[in-house]
Amino acid sequence: NAGVTQTPKFRVLKTGQSMTLLCAQDMNHEYMYWYRQDPGMGLRLIHYSVGEGTTAKGEVPDGYNVSRLKKQNFLLGLESAAPSQTSVYFCASSSLGLAREQYFGPGTRLTVT
Amino acid sequence: AQRVTQPEKLLSVFKGAPVELKCNYSYSGSPELFWYVQYSRQRLQLLLRHISRESIKGFTADLNKGETSFHLKKPFAQEEDSAMYYCALLHITQGGSEKLVFGKGMKLTVNP
Repeated sequence: NAGVTQTPKFRVLKTGQSMTLLCAQDMNHEYMYWYRQDPGMGLRLIHYSVGEGTTAKGEVPDGYNVSRLKKQNFLLGLESAAPSQTSVYFCASSSLGLAREQYFGPGTRLTVT
Repeated sequence: AQRVTQPEKLLSVFKGAPVELKCNYSYSGSPELFWYVQYSRQRLQLLLRHISRESIKGFTADLNKGETSFHLKKPFAQEEDSAMYYCALLHITQGGSEKLVFGKGMKLTVNP
């Protein structure tokens, strides 16, 4: 039982390049989330999904797209990376119902130069 | 609007001292609150949730609806408590989906 995994762990992009971050969970959770973590800003929700085939915008969705084609995977895409997207990205998942614990991945450190 | 405020960014104490990490919230509904912790080089993990009314690693947190607070307390801090602590509020959208709203976090350092 690996829990929540993220690929890659580190990445350096040049401005304008694109990339996809992959999140996978093996806990059969309905909910999946993408956050970014920046110093002094805490965790901010980018996009989330309440089930396979569904996605919704979070607090800071601009510049990102997501897809949830399979229940266990949640992809975060950057079509044209900008230096402002330099951050640590965390994926999380949780099961349905109130007050469920969110399980986090190890994070992806992205630098855009 | 839903909001979580952690008024202090940094707290440094000596081992054995009491600690209190403050958290205030703003929410129109019935609040469900959590504390998450991130130890160095580890992923975020749930520390405790108010509905469980539990004590984890010596930490407790009481929901005070009158003061809209959910402060995290420990009577005697240990060096291994050094970490980033995030207070979070469960927000139920109009569509019925669930999201966590996080505070900006607080770094606790416990010195020997």
